[in-house]
Amino acid sequence: ILNVEQSPQSLHVQEGDSTNFTCSFPSSNFYALHWYRWETAKSPEALFVMTLNGDEKKKGRISATLNTKEGYSYLYIKGSQPEDSATYLCAFDNTDKLIFGTGTRLQVFP
Amino acid sequence: KAGVTQTPRYLIKTRGQQVTLSCSPISGHRSVSWYQQTPGQGLQFLFEYFSETQRNKGNFPGRFSGRQFSNSRSEMNVSTLELGDSALYLCASSLDGPRGELFFGEGSRLTVL
Repeated sequence: ILNVEQSPQSLHVQEGDSTNFTCSFPSSNFYALHWYRWETAKSPEALFVMTLNGDEKKKGRISATLNTKEGYSYLYIKGSQPEDSATYLCAFDNTDKLIFGTGTRLQVFP
Repeated sequence: KAGVTQTPRYLIKTRGQQVTLSCSPISGHRSVSWYQQTPGQGLQFLFEYFSETQRNKGNFPGRFSGRQFSNSRSEMNVSTLELGDSALYLCASSLDGPRGELFFGEGSRLTVL
């Protein structure tokens, strides 16, 4: 059974706080690691697709790192804003299909 | 450019009925994949179609089936509905498969009574 674990399950932060989440995945048969952001009543939207060990990607205030040897990825949000409130999903591509974690639900309070 | 369109958005069925959901991908995208989300579960992979061929299938019973047409539009069908099939069904399109960035529709929410 291939498990993708995300922690924490939920997070409440104040506007301006920086925060980070973890995605753990099997370290074998790795092809890629995806991060998606899913706002309520909208569709999931891709943030990053990462393929190389040591990859670091950045989009505005959001960045992600990847460690394929130990099987984890971190997503960082710097200076959280209320519009960052969403569920953040990671998905592990094991060369066969995408396996999604259950997500980290972030709420940012003004 | 138009996004991924799923229809219907909401539907209610009773046990034993069957349902067909439709997905129109972004123009030029040849891969369509389907996912099921139930409360407390991550998105569960159902199947992926590319150029009218099913390339991969998840661990779902044979009651779940799908197809893709020559214009890349895809349908999924669930026969003999069970209460546990109540879920949000999402489809996603991409240029060449689930390896690249997926573009999701807003989903079809199915309730089985």
